Amino acid sequence: EIVLTQSPATLSLSPGERAALSCRASHSVSTYLAWYQQKPGQAPRLLIYDASKRATGIPARFSGSGSGTDFTLTISSLEPEDFAVYYCQHRSNWPKFTFGPGTKVLIK
Amino acid sequence: EVHLVESGGGLVKPGGSLRISCAASGFTFNTYSMNWVRQAPGKGLEWVSCISSTSSYTYYADSVKGRFTVSRDNTNNSLFLEMNSLRAEDTAVYYCARDDDTSWFDPWGQGTLVTVSS
Repeated sequence: EIVLTQSPATLSLSPGERAALSCRASHSVSTYLAWYQQKPGQAPRLLIYDASKRATGIPARFSGSGSGTDFTLTISSLEPEDFAVYYCQHRSNWPKFTFGPGTKVLIK
Repeated sequence: EVHLVESGGGLVKPGGSLRISCAASGFTFNTYSMNWVRQAPGKGLEWVSCISSTSSYTYYADSVKGRFTVSRDNTNNSLFLEMNSLRAEDTAVYYCARDDDTSWFDPWGQGTLVTVSS
């Protein structure tokens, strides 16, 4: 079973700053990785899929990179609405999907 | 607009059963696989189950296999999750999510809360 680890658990930043969130897989998942954003009281929303492709309607300040075991979600300049929890997910052993534990991005 | 709305959550005693539903609209329901994902209070996301577009295939997380059954009604654009032998650790918000054209989960419903407690 592939395990996803996300770091840091919490990230405290100010609006306008750059955020870099890490997701590491215990074994290679190729580029079968996605990122989701979840705000309090809301359902998750797909941001990035296949490691680096932005989902429909997602602003260009969100970007994804990586392959194999190391992935990064970058938010180039944080907007107030970006403070949320971010989860990575893989599907390399489809149809069984696994989520990482999440990174919470807090306003500093 | 693509829309998913869950319903049927509530309070159930340990060992009890519950059936939750997801009503879909705004897309051709019978051409997409669908999923259930749950989130325990204050915790992360856990994939629960997947059903193919024609119900030919169903898949479950090990934590619910043998207790939960996923089904769908393509005539009425609905997805279901029958949950039996419920345990306290099944307490969570249950989301339905479409397996979209990119093979990822998009969109998600707003969720329905299932609480297992005596």
